Amino acid sequence: EIVMTQSPATLSVSPGERATLSCRASQSASSKLAWYQQKPGQAPRLLIYGASTRATGIPARFSGSGSGTEFTLTISSLQSEDFVVYYCQQYNNWPLTFGGGTKVEIK
Amino acid sequence: QLQLQESGPGLVKPSETLSLTCTVSGGSISSSSYYWGWIRQPPGKGLEWIGSIYHSGSTYYNPSLKSLVTISVDTSKNQFSLKLSFVTAADTAVYYCARHLGRAENWFDPWGQGTLVTVSS
Repeated sequence: EIVMTQSPATLSVSPGERATLSCRASQSASSKLAWYQQKPGQAPRLLIYGASTRATGIPARFSGSGSGTEFTLTISSLQSEDFVVYYCQQYNNWPLTFGGGTKVEIK
Repeated sequence: QLQLQESGPGLVKPSETLSLTCTVSGGSISSSSYYWGWIRQPPGKGLEWIGSIYHSGSTYYNPSLKSLVTISVDTSKNQFSLKLSFVTAADTAVYYCARHLGRAENWFDPWGQGTLVTVSS
């Protein structure tokens, strides 16, 4: 099983600033990495797949990078609705596994 | 637009079987290439993939739950279902159903809104 580790657990950022979230895989996930955003009381929403491809309707301020074991989600200029929780998920191997999440909070 | 909706009891007693159904609308569950999955999230915690099924009935399960889980599909009703046996308090969670592409492109989109299942006597 590929274990996904996200850091930091909580990220404090001011509105309008850049946020950089990390996701590390215990073994290579190739580019089979997705990012999700989860707002309180809602289901996760797909942001990024293939490590760097934005899903339909996702704003350009969200970008993904990385391959192998190190991945990054960058939010270029945080808007008020972006202060929520983000999860990464690998789909290179079964079982499909998620990271523990990063909460982005207002500084 | 494809939509998924979970349904089932919100309260299950310990040692009993949790049963949920996901109804797919706006598209056919028999569409080629797609898998249909279950994911859960304990209150305040992260996401755990439970298992997935193809319309033919082919399944993948998380090894951590495999002996307790059965996922089935009813193409005539455009539904797929989850059964989790011998539940404990640790199985209390929001249960989501979601679609993934298969063919090694297994990200989840879209998701159902989720349903909270509490295990308690």
